[in-house]
Amino acid sequence: KAGVTQTPRYLIKTRGQQVTLSCSPISGHRSVSWYQQTPGQGLQFLFEYFSETQRNKGNFPGRFSGRQFSNSRSEMNVSTLELGDSALYLCASSMGNLRYEQYFGPGTRLTVT
Amino acid sequence: DAKTTQPPSMDCAEGRAANLPCNHSTISGNEYVYWYRQIHSQGPQYIIHGLKNNETNEMASLIITEDRKSSTLILPHATLRDTAVYYCIALSSGGGADGLTFGKGTHLIIQP
Repeated sequence: KAGVTQTPRYLIKTRGQQVTLSCSPISGHRSVSWYQQTPGQGLQFLFEYFSETQRNKGNFPGRFSGRQFSNSRSEMNVSTLELGDSALYLCASSMGNLRYEQYFGPGTRLTVT
Repeated sequence: DAKTTQPPSMDCAEGRAANLPCNHSTISGNEYVYWYRQIHSQGPQYIIHGLKNNETNEMASLIITEDRKSSTLILPHATLRDTAVYYCIALSSGGGADGLTFGKGTHLIIQP
């Protein structure tokens, strides 16, 4: 069974631009969660989607948004990029809620200059 | 979700068992203990979880004390590829609406 895939793997953007990251979950998984990981803050939860609906949301500004499609693939968008948005963005999929094993993708490394 | 405490780092010789402790003294009755690990530059990887009984899978064993205030993850025959940061977390049966929250974890270094 193929794992979680994320594209692109690496991205360099400049301040003020926007970016869209993509995540394809494991086949059959309906829950997709997004996380931001930085050396200083560790792993921080952005949001979770289940059956195309945002089910949970972390404490991030509205510049961070996401969506999920009918095939469970998900995208997250960051608008008006700031230097502090430089991070590893991870996507995780699971069968259900977080009580189920989360399968993480390799992440997208975003650098904002 | 209950707070967990882990040692910041540990060393283990290759081929020996690696025993990683986790303290979760405020864990409640409906909270499960989960272990994930993160190898450098990769996404976190699920290892194992349990409620009160000891659990074993192809990767590791999880030993939970009778009072559930602490647990130990055991990698029976550690290899160099097991060098990673290991995270112990407690999750309620309701699923953790705030997402997975990893603390600093334990940096396990397997020595050749």
